[in-house]
Amino acid sequence: SAVISQKPSRDICQRGTSLTIQCQVDSQVTMMFWYRQQPGQSLTLIATANQGSEATYESGFVIDKFPISRPNLTFSTLTVSNMSPEDSSIYLCSVEGDRRKAFFGQGTRLTVV
Amino acid sequence: GQQLNQSPQSMFIQEGEDVSMNCTSSSIFNTWLWYKQDPGEGPVLLIALYKAGELTSNGRLTAQFGITRKDSFLNISASIPSDVGIYFCAGHSFGSSNYKLTFGKGTLLTVNP
Repeated sequence: SAVISQKPSRDICQRGTSLTIQCQVDSQVTMMFWYRQQPGQSLTLIATANQGSEATYESGFVIDKFPISRPNLTFSTLTVSNMSPEDSSIYLCSVEGDRRKAFFGQGTRLTVV
Repeated sequence: GQQLNQSPQSMFIQEGEDVSMNCTSSSIFNTWLWYKQDPGEGPVLLIALYKAGELTSNGRLTAQFGITRKDSFLNISASIPSDVGIYFCAGHSFGSSNYKLTFGKGTLLTVNP
């Protein structure tokens, strides 16, 4: 399984500001995924990030709010822009391993005040 | 979109008891994955299932891919306090992009020592 490291692990941010979350994988992967987990809820896919192309966003998520970079095959960033308290969630980076298994980073716990 | 119904939502059991939880979908799935999430961590993959009727064990955990391909269950035998956490089912449905996972809402397990 891949080892996935996310930074920061948690942050408290002021509303109106932006936070960039980093995801580093210990092996090259074609696709990386970003999920949001709102308090007490399940995981919702935000977008899929392929190296060399624009990210593909799921319904309800837009690039202006959640810009994503994928500069190489082991790294991606997700920015949460112009934050409001409703953005308080855990943000998770994921990659697909063999036989369609998904592996996750430890998550970034974001609190917007 | 796809929906997964996971039950029960929560369970309170005594140490040593067996636990069972299940997921049902509105459509056929070709992969079922079971995860455990501890507080402050990302989901960790427990078991992966790939064909109807498949029964797979991982220590005290056993999971099965339902014959109808629309359901799966996870059993935990002889529970211990470290089994506490949230258990999620997830899967890939036929006809969807291979990479897109649908998650259940989770089962919160509490084990009383």
